[in-house]
Amino acid sequence: GAGVSQTPSNKVTEKGKYVELRCDPISGHTALYWYRQSLGQGPEFLIYFQGTGAADDSGLPNDRFFAVRPEGSVSTLKIQRTERGDSAVYLCASSGDRNTEAFFGQGTRLTVV
Amino acid sequence: KQEVTQIPAALSVPEGENLVLNCSFTDSAIYNLQWFRQDPGKGLTSLLLIQSSQREQTSGRLNASLDKSSGRSTLYIAASQPGDSATYLCAVMGGANNLFFGTGTRLTVIP
Repeated sequence: GAGVSQTPSNKVTEKGKYVELRCDPISGHTALYWYRQSLGQGPEFLIYFQGTGAADDSGLPNDRFFAVRPEGSVSTLKIQRTERGDSAVYLCASSGDRNTEAFFGQGTRLTVV
Repeated sequence: KQEVTQIPAALSVPEGENLVLNCSFTDSAIYNLQWFRQDPGKGLTSLLLIQSSQREQTSGRLNASLDKSSGRSTLYIAASQPGDSATYLCAVMGGANNLFFGTGTRLTVIP
């Protein structure tokens, strides 16, 4: 596609429910990143994929968060037993490699009520 | 762990002024530095990418410089316009292949 696409754009869920957030990177980009951004803050790193493997998942806050990228393209961020503190905008980015620009999607605004 | 700081946190200028946004980082072992723009409720738009071997990059009215040894970058905006109003974020790509972001500078250009 022309850019990074994230779906849904907005998600409201009840506390304790499971959610999945999807990211379609730019075609051919091998690197994919997930970030979380709270109001007034810069994006906070969650996980980085190089191809199909999670090269760095050190930013995932706890074991309720998990992300996959089974075919090296689309990625899904999964959050189990959601909590109100998980409410944020979740951003996805992709790049060709570490030396090229990272391009971001428009984000998914997650609200846990 | 890499820490990225942006000063000032907010800035208001009258239209037409030139301005400088500052970014500093604690670990100079970076691959590149990228400046982004973020409009309210939107994603991030890439403005400029500077490789670690470069000193500056220019795009239109924007000029970004990088002094890797001192851990600093500046984004210079010439002849500011109301449409430049947004939050500007800098991010450094470190050895772990992830981008570390600052908290941004919120710019308001007053017509």
